[in-house]
Amino acid sequence: NAGVTQTPKFQVLKTGQSMTLQCAQDMNHEYMSWYRQDPGMGLRLIHYSVGAGITDQGEVPNGYNVSRSTTEDFPLRLLSAAPSQTSVYFCASQTSGGDGYGYTFGSGTRLTVV
Amino acid sequence: DQQVKQNSPSLSVQEGRISILNCDYTNSMFDYFLWYKKYPAEGPTFLISISSIKDKNEDGRFTVFLNKSAKHLSLHIVPSQPGDSAVYFCAASWDKFYFGSGTKLNVKP
Repeated sequence: NAGVTQTPKFQVLKTGQSMTLQCAQDMNHEYMSWYRQDPGMGLRLIHYSVGAGITDQGEVPNGYNVSRSTTEDFPLRLLSAAPSQTSVYFCASQTSGGDGYGYTFGSGTRLTVV
Repeated sequence: DQQVKQNSPSLSVQEGRISILNCDYTNSMFDYFLWYKKYPAEGPTFLISISSIKDKNEDGRFTVFLNKSAKHLSLHIVPSQPGDSAVYFCAASWDKFYFGSGTKLNVKP
């Protein structure tokens, strides 16, 4: 089925380790974004991309890197994991804009940093 | 500082009754408002939206109301069904897309 695929679904990291959360979409959407969901905080935007080769920071970008070499893929890299990055991460894509209309979300990656 | 707030973390309603979920925002530049529904272990899915030029939008059992003067948004679900039990996020957009913290709705059979 068409949509947004995130891997892995679960991950446990030790403090200081690095890893990449994968996100791929097959809908030819231009706009992709990464959110983290924390209790009482809702979903907060980490980074977003309006097309291949173009990325920008959201509300909470510190400690994360992104790149967009293709339309389909938008990986999120944790450079040196910290317990404060324990969260559920969602990748989303949209045809254009980023206004939230027609967003398709992945099923999430639950990350625990110990 | 959260620009979109959902002050009720949870709501419990009897099946068949009305569910009313509320949302407040602070930024008068927001021009588009949305509600998303999220089941456990799944990503949020789009439910209903409203443009700032309207004050009401209906889609089946779901109606969204917008009161711009009060900077208040609400979602009405009538009648509520057990399958509506989920976390509901309101969201608003202008330059970017901002979510509230969510309200967990429990519809009791």
